[in-house]
Amino acid sequence: KAGVTQTPRYLIKTRGQQVTLSCSPISGHRSVSWYQQTPGQGLQFLFEYFSETQRNKGNFPGRFSGRQFSNSRSEMNVSTLELGDSALYLCASSLFQGRRVYEQYFGPGTRLTVT
Amino acid sequence: DQQVKQNSPSLSVQEGRISILNCDYTNSMFDYFLWYKKYPAEGPTFLISISSIKDKNEDGRFTVFLNKSAKHLSLHIVPSQPGDSAVYFCAASTNTGGFKTIFGAGTRLFVKA
Repeated sequence: KAGVTQTPRYLIKTRGQQVTLSCSPISGHRSVSWYQQTPGQGLQFLFEYFSETQRNKGNFPGRFSGRQFSNSRSEMNVSTLELGDSALYLCASSLFQGRRVYEQYFGPGTRLTVT
Repeated sequence: DQQVKQNSPSLSVQEGRISILNCDYTNSMFDYFLWYKKYPAEGPTFLISISSIKDKNEDGRFTVFLNKSAKHLSLHIVPSQPGDSAVYFCAASTNTGGFKTIFGAGTRLFVKA
């Protein structure tokens, strides 16, 4: 079974631009979460989607948004990029069933650099 | 507001000895606690978890202990191997008010041969 895939793997943007990142979960997984990882900060929770609905979101400004499609693929968008948005963006999917509700499977991430 | 804290940024252990990684949390709403392992240039991989109603879960060389009264959990690796060298993230999950997982900042483990 294929793992979680994220595209693109690397991205360089300039301040003020917007960016869209894509995530394809493991087949059959309906929950997709997004995280931002920066040095020393660990993984910061952005939002979680299940069956095309955002069920929860973290403490990020409205410039960060996302969506999920009927095939469970998800995208996140960051508008008006700032230097501080430079980070590794990780997507994780979950089967969200039974005892394995909380186990998440991560993609390799998208490294975003804002100049 | 860091709800999950890993106070040791790094830990160095000799091969064959025990590695103990610690984690503290502040919110009682969490239902499950998990440990993830991360190698450079890869996403985190799930290692072991424990329900909030248990105090110990064991899987091979890995054991997680949960002390709810102290809001503390720990991961024990026995015996430690050089291949265990990685960053370990502690995470706490809840499905109350929407599914959410909060991660700690991570502890980098070095296992010396």
